[in-house]
Amino acid sequence: QSVLTQPPSVSAAPGQKVTISCSGSTSNIPNNHVSWYQRVPGTAPKLLIYDNNERPSGIPARFSGSKSATSATLGITGLQAGDEADYYCASWDSSLKIVLFGGGTRLTVL
Amino acid sequence: EVQLVESGGGLVQPGGSLRLSCAVSGFTLSDHYMDWVRQAPGKGLEWVGRSRTKNKKYSITYGASVKGRFTISRDESRKSLYLQMNSLKTEDTAMYYCSRLPYYDTDGDSLDAADIWGQGTMVTVSS
Repeated sequence: QSVLTQPPSVSAAPGQKVTISCSGSTSNIPNNHVSWYQRVPGTAPKLLIYDNNERPSGIPARFSGSKSATSATLGITGLQAGDEADYYCASWDSSLKIVLFGGGTRLTVL
Repeated sequence: EVQLVESGGGLVQPGGSLRLSCAVSGFTLSDHYMDWVRQAPGKGLEWVGRSRTKNKKYSITYGASVKGRFTISRDESRKSLYLQMNSLKTEDTAMYYCSRLPYYDTDGDSLDAADIWGQGTMVTVSS
C-alpha cells in the first residue's frame, strides 16, 4: 500500500547531519500535510514533525521538515546515538482518501 | 496525564472476529479525531482507519485492506474507541495502535498528525 517511497536505510556519524526523503505523487504530498514519526523498535511511534515543518512541543530543533512538489524531507542535525530508530513519513492521499505511510527508513548512527 | 490504552488483542483463527478497545484519559475524546494504525511483524506502519468528531458528522474512513471487514466506533460516555474486526485473515496479524489527532486547520480539517499513541495490542490470526 506504500506509495510514499523512502530509502530503506541511511547512516551517519555522531554529530553529523542526515536527511531522509519521502517521495509521493500529485494526489498526496503537494496538497496535503506531511508528518514524520520516529519509532524505536518495541515502542509506539513518536511524532516529530506535523504540517510539513512544524515541531510539537518537546521536539528539539535538531529535527526539521520541508516539502517541495511531490517530495518531503526530514532533516536531523547533531546526530546522537539515541536517534537510531525507524523514521516514517505520512500524508493524506486525496484520490485514495486514506492516510499513506512511507515504508520507513532505518537510521544508523555509526 | 494524557494516555491511550489498547486492549482486546489475542490469538484468533482465520475467519474469526475480535474487538479492540482504546481507553482514553487526560483529554476529551469528543474533541478529537482518532486513528487506528497497525504494524505487521517485520513490516512498516499501515493506516487502518479514522473516526472523526461531531463537526464532521462522526464520519469514518477505512484503509483499503480492511474496508468492509473492520468497523470503528466510539463511545464518548465510556471514553473509549473501538475496532471491531471480522472475517480476520492471517495478513491482519499485527500490533494495533490507537492514536489521537490534535491538530486542525482553519477549516476544521485534520492536519493528519497523531501526537499521542497507545502502547499497542497484538493481534495474531492463525490456525
